[in-house]
Amino acid sequence: AIRMTQSPSSFSASTGDRVTITCRASQGISSYLAWYQQKPGKAPKLLIYAASTLQSGVPSRFSGSGSGTDFTLTISCLQSEDFATYYCQQYYSYGLTFGGGTKVEIK
Amino acid sequence: QVQLQESGPGLVKPSETLSLTCTVSGGSISSYYWSWIRQPAGKGLEWIGRIYTSGSTNYNPSLKSRVTMSVDTSKNQFSLKLSSVTAADTAVYYCARVLPVWDAFDIWGQGTMVTVSS
Repeated sequence: AIRMTQSPSSFSASTGDRVTITCRASQGISSYLAWYQQKPGKAPKLLIYAASTLQSGVPSRFSGSGSGTDFTLTISCLQSEDFATYYCQQYYSYGLTFGGGTKVEIK
Repeated sequence: QVQLQESGPGLVKPSETLSLTCTVSGGSISSYYWSWIRQPAGKGLEWIGRIYTSGSTNYNPSLKSRVTMSVDTSKNQFSLKLSSVTAADTAVYYCARVLPVWDAFDIWGQGTMVTVSS
């Protein structure tokens, strides 16, 4: 199975900050990558698919980039509602796999 | 808009079979892939498998020997059975719709907690 490694596992940031989360695949996955946001007690929410395509209704401060093995999720101006855990997911091959998550906490 | 709702027992005994159903409302179940994903408390997400409305399936290789998925288009439902459960199968179980072309999950149920315990 393709292993997805996210970094960092957690960090603190302030409202208004620009933040970047990294996801690395154990082998090339082209652009078959999605990003999700999950808040406590809630189901994950799809933010980005195809590495850089914003899901309908997701604010434009979220962006994704990368291809092959290295990917990033960027939040250009962190808002209070963005404090959550973020997961990457590859859908290049089965079984589909998720990264371990990155928790964004309030500084 | 399309909504998903998981249902099933919240407590299952070790060695027995976990059975869950996902009901799709606000739209048709047809012409989509549908998935099950689980999340142990405080941990990450694990994909269990997916099913198309024709009944075609793909399962996580690590769970394949114990997983069976089915679909009932007349009821707009799909189901999960996981056999020979242990405490390691205790988790929140989510059903989700698979985005066409891209195997990302665009619509999720709220999740249902299943505990494996005697």
